[in-house]
Amino acid sequence: DGGITQSPKYLFRKEGQNVTLSCEQNLNHDAMYWYRQDPGQGLRLIYYSQIVNDFQKGDIAEGYSVSREKKESFPLTVTSAQKNPTAFYLCASSIQEAGELFFGEGSRLTVL
Amino acid sequence: SQQGEEDPQALSIQEGENATMNCSYKTSINNLQWYRQNSGRGLVHLILIRSNEREKHSGRLRVTLDTSKKSSSLLITASRAADTASYFCATTVDNFNKFYFGSGTKLNVKP
Repeated sequence: DGGITQSPKYLFRKEGQNVTLSCEQNLNHDAMYWYRQDPGQGLRLIYYSQIVNDFQKGDIAEGYSVSREKKESFPLTVTSAQKNPTAFYLCASSIQEAGELFFGEGSRLTVL
Repeated sequence: SQQGEEDPQALSIQEGENATMNCSYKTSINNLQWYRQNSGRGLVHLILIRSNEREKHSGRLRVTLDTSKKSSSLLITASRAADTASYFCATTVDNFNKFYFGSGTKLNVKP
């Protein structure tokens, strides 16, 4: 079945460590996105990519990095520069200009 | 800055009743979408309404859009316990592929 797979579902990190969240899609979508969700709040855009080897910062990109070497994959690295990384991270994709976002099941990162 | 803001923040109703959620936004939009999120899960797309449309239906869902008031409403008719979830509106603006989400309405449907 087509969809978006995020891993790991739960991740614990010590302060000062970088972690990478995986996002893979087999929907053949051009655009991919990373969002952050804090408890009781909406989604805030971290990074998005409209095409391979290109990506743009969203509203809260500081402390995060991404790559888009393959159409199917858009990994997010949460670096030690992110001051408050504990959150629920959601990856999504869309057909270019189609307007509907398809989401993965999310990765919950907790900093100990 | 956030585009959409939902109202109310939380809504509790009995099964069989209708649920209405509202979304207000700040600038001109290309389209407005509604999503549903079960606790701890990803979001699921429900319905999209374009800026030149005023009303759209999908099953028990009815969405309206008033661009003059910069607002939209989502009506769920004959609610079921399984409708319990958070509902978010999302807008796209100048950059068609940049989506802005509101903070959501948490709906609780009591059996």
